Amino acid sequence: GQQLNQSPQSMFIQEGEDVSMNCTSSSIFNTWLWYKQDPGEGPVLLIALYKAGELTSNGRLTAQFGITRKDSFLNISASIPSDVGIYFCAGQSTGGSTLGRLYFGRGTQLTVWP
Amino acid sequence: GAVVSQHPSWVICKSGTSVKIECRSLDFQATTMFWYRQFPKQSLMLMATSNEGSKATYEQGVEKDKFLINHASLTLSTLTVTSAHPEDSSFYICSARDPGRPHRTQYFGPGTRLLVL
Repeated sequence: GQQLNQSPQSMFIQEGEDVSMNCTSSSIFNTWLWYKQDPGEGPVLLIALYKAGELTSNGRLTAQFGITRKDSFLNISASIPSDVGIYFCAGQSTGGSTLGRLYFGRGTQLTVWP
Repeated sequence: GAVVSQHPSWVICKSGTSVKIECRSLDFQATTMFWYRQFPKQSLMLMATSNEGSKATYEQGVEKDKFLINHASLTLSTLTVTSAHPEDSSFYICSARDPGRPHRTQYFGPGTRLLVL
């Protein structure tokens, strides 16, 4: 199946630093989603983006839906230890037989040092 | 946000036995649920789309006779791993689409860890 290109694969940062990760795709999506997954848990929705160019914030998190509809980025400001986890981007398909299904990036493993 | 539960949270079974995993939407009715499999340090891979009252749609390479999906009600979908083998050991996660929310937002369950000995 289709896989999104998510980078970086891993990040090791110090508490208080800002973080940026991004996702690109060869296909257009109508929706971009960012999830966080803690070990042994299911993904939790952080931010959902529904319109090209949209910039949305959720606390210290900010995400943008690229103008071309083929990319998105997620920023985390002033990181804290509980930000540790794996962050996944996901694009939601636009229609046809795959309407509504999600295509995931490979994930970004974030480690925050105190 | 919407709540999706899974049961059991983990299961250990002998090779050759069958295991059933339940996925429930707790505060909404889900006409569509999805089943994913996740191996360590990898992303989520969609196995099948479960539609209430009809047959599931399986992704290419997923054996429908091995991974039986039943979506008999608007709040429950089950995945049965039949004749499980050690290579079926994985983290299985379901998600449910809340029709009451715009844009077909999917909410994920907490996952079920399966270990086949």
